[in-house]
Amino acid sequence: ELQLVESGGGLVQPGGSLRLSCSASGFTFYTYWMHWVRQAPGKGLVWVSRINNDGTATIYADSVKGRFTISRDNAKNTLYLQMNSLDTEDTAVYYCTRGQPDLSYFDSWGQGTLVTVSS
Amino acid sequence: DTQMTQSPSTLSASVGDRVTITCRASHNSYNYLAWYQQKPGKSPKPLIYRASNLESGVPSRFSGSGYGTEFTLTISSLQPEDFATYYCQQYNSNPLTFGGGTKVEIK
Repeated sequence: ELQLVESGGGLVQPGGSLRLSCSASGFTFYTYWMHWVRQAPGKGLVWVSRINNDGTATIYADSVKGRFTISRDNAKNTLYLQMNSLDTEDTAVYYCTRGQPDLSYFDSWGQGTLVTVSS
Repeated sequence: DTQMTQSPSTLSASVGDRVTITCRASHNSYNYLAWYQQKPGKSPKPLIYRASNLESGVPSRFSGSGYGTEFTLTISSLQPEDFATYYCQQYNSNPLTFGGGTKVEIK
């Protein structure tokens, strides 16, 4: 059974850092491009970042560029999101999602992990 | 960036009703359009991709149509489990963008 399980969320102060992880199982992780999508409380969905299957190409939303870093470890079937210089505007549920090469929709989603940025 | 505009933002309907949600793109998105359903406290579930292709396991009462800048999601006969929020998403260009959502409520 395909599974994406996020972890690492929590409460962090403005300016702080957090690293999210997404453990993948039930599919050949190294063949898929992966994304992070977030959703602020009571708001809509916003794409955050994407990484290609071998980790050599990444892109980011303007709102997180220079602060967030997406990466992956195909040996561990794990996707990461390193989040630095966090702001209250980054408060959201972060979803790990699976996509196809290059431009794609998201055919599988994790359950999400909540990041709260507050003093 | 391609802006996605959904209408209405909220829709009140009864079980058995035919429901249509519209999604408009600010730039030509060809048929690179997906629809998702999200229930409270749950992650989004993909329903339709390439504007009109049903994801495996999605009931046939759901259908999608459209091309270019105007797309629709139709539920032919609304069921109790269909009360949820629906989002469209374009994947013709980066950044990938979503519509603001349409909440389907019980009338």
